[in-house]
Amino acid sequence: GQNIDQPTEMTATEGAIVQINCTYQTSGFNGLFWYQQHAGEAPTFLSYNVLDGLEEKGRFSSFLSRSKGYSYLLLKELQMKDSASYLCAAPNSGGYQKVTFGTGTKLQVIP
Amino acid sequence: SQTIHQWPATLVQPVGSPLSLECTVEGTSNPNLYWYRQAAGRGLQLLFYSVGIGQISSEVPQNLSASRPQDRQFILSSKKLLLSDSGFYLCAWSTRGQGRTEAFFGQGTRLTVV
Repeated sequence: GQNIDQPTEMTATEGAIVQINCTYQTSGFNGLFWYQQHAGEAPTFLSYNVLDGLEEKGRFSSFLSRSKGYSYLLLKELQMKDSASYLCAAPNSGGYQKVTFGTGTKLQVIP
Repeated sequence: SQTIHQWPATLVQPVGSPLSLECTVEGTSNPNLYWYRQAAGRGLQLLFYSVGIGQISSEVPQNLSASRPQDRQFILSSKKLLLSDSGFYLCAWSTRGQGRTEAFFGQGTRLTVV
């Protein structure tokens, strides 16, 4: 089975850096996704990691450690519009690409 | 480019009434299709997924059902809605195969059963 854990809520200040952690246990490994979901909207894709290390994409970076079953999403130069839920997700290793989502971390950016 | 359409955006239905939510994908062939539900303040729960026409896998026992009558059409149905069926329903698609196959979501349907 698959299990994904991430903090429920976080608060950070505009302009700061925040790190959102995710730990996972999966039957096989086929990469790890991060999605952003604004309230009342559908999730949108942020990043995908399949190899260990840091993937940087503008203000957002995602890190993966397969040996530790651990990932984090790093948001720099926080803006008010970054207030959203951030979902960690892992597909299974089979051919159907079933994706298990974490419950999401609700990030509130304050002035 | 690929697009996914899901409707309606909001729906209020009485307990015991039927349900039909439709989702269509454009610009791709043979997608994997998914129905997720998200209760208020909760994560995404996978309800059904499909890898081809007429092929449906159910993840959670419930009074909902899904059908895929065409390659790019996915329908979520219920014969009699329960109060517990309220939630935010999301249709999604992804490409087949291994590797980076992120899901692309429809706008979602907010269902309130009263």
